[in-house]
Amino acid sequence: SQTIHQWPATLVQPVGSPLSLECTVEGTSNPNLYWYRQAAGRGLQLLFYSVGIGQISSEVPQNLSASRPQDRQFILSSKKLLLSDSGFYLCAVDLTYNEQFFGPGTRLTVL
Amino acid sequence: DQQVKQNSPSLSVQEGRISILNCDYTNSMFDYFLWYKKYPAEGPTFLISISSIKDKNEDGRFTVFLNKSAKHLSLHIVPSQPGDSAVYFCAASRTSGTYKYIFGTGTRLKVLA
Repeated sequence: SQTIHQWPATLVQPVGSPLSLECTVEGTSNPNLYWYRQAAGRGLQLLFYSVGIGQISSEVPQNLSASRPQDRQFILSSKKLLLSDSGFYLCAVDLTYNEQFFGPGTRLTVL
Repeated sequence: DQQVKQNSPSLSVQEGRISILNCDYTNSMFDYFLWYKKYPAEGPTFLISISSIKDKNEDGRFTVFLNKSAKHLSLHIVPSQPGDSAVYFCAASRTSGTYKYIFGTGTRLKVLA
């Protein structure tokens, strides 16, 4: 069975500071990986997805970026955080045909 | 442009009664739909899905109905239980290509004991 690790679980960062959130997946190889954000009062917004190492597709323009240095590692980054970057960040992997499995998430608060 | 909409941000239902959560979509190319359940500070968990070739899928207390002509789907929970209290997201995707899911904004269900 697949397992998704996300860390840190919670993070408080000042505006303008950098960000690095990591997601690692176990129990699968060559997975499709996704980063979502749930902001206060909003739904789940797809930020990035990756179909392989070094392959990143961005869904929304923003000051965030993603990288996939290894098959089962997906990293979400920012050089300078904005207040609007606060939210709950979720990593997901395709579990079965047309079903995604989500990690435990990272709660980011930008002050 | 919100392609998947859940127009009710919250819903309260008495224990034992039916909960009906609604979802509308605009893109006629979507052909697979899912419902996820999310507790606070946790990742969403898959609940039930339906393909566009069907109009109903049932799994225990959960039934999803799809009306393609109206671009509308609904999740019925009966009987509702206090443990069902959570945020429910509907999601839509196209089965061709990468499985990019478009999620709705969620409906917070509260089942009252």
